[in-house]
Amino acid sequence: DAKTTQPNSMESNEEEPVHLPCNHSTISGTDYIHWYRQLPSQGPEYVIHGLTSNVNNRMASLAIAEDRKSSTLILHRATLRDAAVYYCILHKETSGSRLTFGEGTQLTVNP
Amino acid sequence: ETGVTQSPTHLIKTRGQQVTLRCSSQSGHNTVSWYQQALGQGPQFIFQYYREEENGRGNFPPRFSGLQFPNYSSELNVNALELDDSALYLCASSSVTNEKLFFGSGTQLSVL
Repeated sequence: DAKTTQPNSMESNEEEPVHLPCNHSTISGTDYIHWYRQLPSQGPEYVIHGLTSNVNNRMASLAIAEDRKSSTLILHRATLRDAAVYYCILHKETSGSRLTFGEGTQLTVNP
Repeated sequence: ETGVTQSPTHLIKTRGQQVTLRCSSQSGHNTVSWYQQALGQGPQFIFQYYREEENGRGNFPPRFSGLQFPNYSSELNVNALELDDSALYLCASSSVTNEKLFFGSGTQLSVL
């Protein structure tokens, strides 16, 4: 399986944008880029996913590099509730519900 | 929509015992998967069930087994518990047509 690399931790201030990077230099053409986050004492929560084009939803935006070797999850205005571990995951449709989680990025949001 | 619910929320067992964890999938979802999350690490895939049959397994020994029922609820069974089995066990449900996984809040298992 192709691997992702994320910073262990990041800090942000409330109401400011947050850019969470993910490197995936060995990504294959059939790998989708998924992001999940895990709040304290909860299971992971789906955030967004994409293949080649940038994606937007109510939670976040996903910016994918043209060569697909990296991507960035963008939270437009961080809130205290966004403090969580964010996981960047490469997923093939043929893998079903098998996700390979790394250690993710611990995001701290300062008031 | 009802969410994914897991029971119990916490459980304490001793080494060598057997445990059954339960999950109720989100309405309309026919695929369920189980994950193990050790403290400070990301979740690790155990296996997934579709139409009551296991159709994908991670690097876990046979003493980890599961069942999926016609109403899409499911169980994770672990036999001969070891100390290293202490972890948060997560259930996730999804539908064939939707790539999103919906996770429950997990069962925290402690093996003494």
